[in-house]
Amino acid sequence: QVQLQQSGPGLVKPSQTLSLTCAISGDSVSSNIVTWNWIRQSPSRGLEWLGRTYYRSKWYNDYAVSVRSRITINPDTSKNQFSLQLNSVTPEDSAMYYCARAKDCSGDICYRWFDPWGQGTLVTVTS
Amino acid sequence: DIVMTQSPDSLAVSLGERATINCKSSQSVLHSSNNNNYLAWYRQKPGQPPKLLIYWASTRESGVPDRFSGSGSGTDFTLTISSLQAEDVAVYYCQQYYYTPRTFGQGTRLEIK
Repeated sequence: QVQLQQSGPGLVKPSQTLSLTCAISGDSVSSNIVTWNWIRQSPSRGLEWLGRTYYRSKWYNDYAVSVRSRITINPDTSKNQFSLQLNSVTPEDSAMYYCARAKDCSGDICYRWFDPWGQGTLVTVTS
Repeated sequence: DIVMTQSPDSLAVSLGERATINCKSSQSVLHSSNNNNYLAWYRQKPGQPPKLLIYWASTRESGVPDRFSGSGSGTDFTLTISSLQAEDVAVYYCQQYYYTPRTFGQGTRLEIK
């Protein structure tokens, strides 16, 4: 059974960097049939996919346009986890942040729903 | 980005009655080569992350009660709870996984009447 355990601070000052980690058990961050994602949820923006990292002979990242200039998602193979960094945060980045796994495609059949999810981290951006 | 629009925003149903939630995508999420609709439904209870209920528009995730069913194709989808139980009080989301970025509906809050 795959489980995702999030960690990181819940309070970040404006203009600073939000950093969260998602530890994986029951799967490998280096698996070539899944992607590892960050999603956030706020009353104003709803559920918003932020980006993903995945390994297909080499590492790839995809990011949402809304955060592309400020986001980095990195795998850590030594600890079997992946991380989110969001730079230059403002109060509009206050949200519940989730990590989540999605399987990829086998042939032309894709299993790209999000399951499982981490427990969530409430991040508040305030001075 | 693909816009997912759910209706209604909130819904109150009596215990044992049917609940119906609709989801409309701005573009078709039907994969023509395999005839699968790339549409999932999630349930989110307070203080918890979303939980997968249904994928491919109509396939129940393992362990999901059979009172939950999904239907629809192309751009229009429905989640039906045939006989509402107290534990079904939650917010329900649809999500398309055909296009990048993946996008979610705004959610439908389901309550007991």
